[in-house]
Amino acid sequence: DVKVTQSSRYLVKRTGEKVFLECVQDMDHENMFWYRQDPGLGLRLIYFSYDVKMKEKGDIPEGYSVSREKKERFSLILESASTNQTSMYLCASSSFPGGAGQPQHFGDGTRLSIL
Amino acid sequence: AQTVTQSQPEMSVQEAETVTLSCTYDTSENNYYLFWYKQPPSRQMILVIRQEAYKQQNATENRFSVNFQKAAKSFSLKISDSQLGDTAMYFCAFMKHGAGSYQLTFGKGTKLSVIP
Repeated sequence: DVKVTQSSRYLVKRTGEKVFLECVQDMDHENMFWYRQDPGLGLRLIYFSYDVKMKEKGDIPEGYSVSREKKERFSLILESASTNQTSMYLCASSSFPGGAGQPQHFGDGTRLSIL
Repeated sequence: AQTVTQSQPEMSVQEAETVTLSCTYDTSENNYYLFWYKQPPSRQMILVIRQEAYKQQNATENRFSVNFQKAAKSFSLKISDSQLGDTAMYFCAFMKHGAGSYQLTFGKGTKLSVIP
């Protein structure tokens, strides 16, 4: 089974802090994704990566950045956390190539609160 | 751009009964993929079922089946013999076909409660 592991289930940070959310997958997947999930809004894509050191903006990239230095690890960075970034963050991965209907496999999610 | 609409924010069903969750989508693409994902309370999102648009046959996975109407751009999920473990958020999602297409577009979700 594919295992996507997010480093924290719950995280509390303060406004203005730099926040790192980590995600690791163990299936040698090329593609990795970061989503934000808010009630009534569904899942919205923040960033994705289809290869090491490659990244593409999703629908809501403002206020976020990402890093993918190794194939198995994809980090989401909140450069200066704000209260409107309080949310559930989901990481996902899928196999190459894109566009062939491969399902995405999700982690458990990180519930982030910015105070 | 694609959009996915789930018109039922919440639904409930009696245990052992059948329930249908609605999903419509808007796209100008001819080839694409559709998915239903399930997210149980405080648990991981998992794939329920996947449909390829160029296949006319509706996908089935045990108690889960879809009614795919390509012309109507409709992709509903039927859950038969509902069980308490089916209580979850259900998300409908769309993916374009073709090289370089990675993104899933999700609906806003339907919260399903199975009542004992």
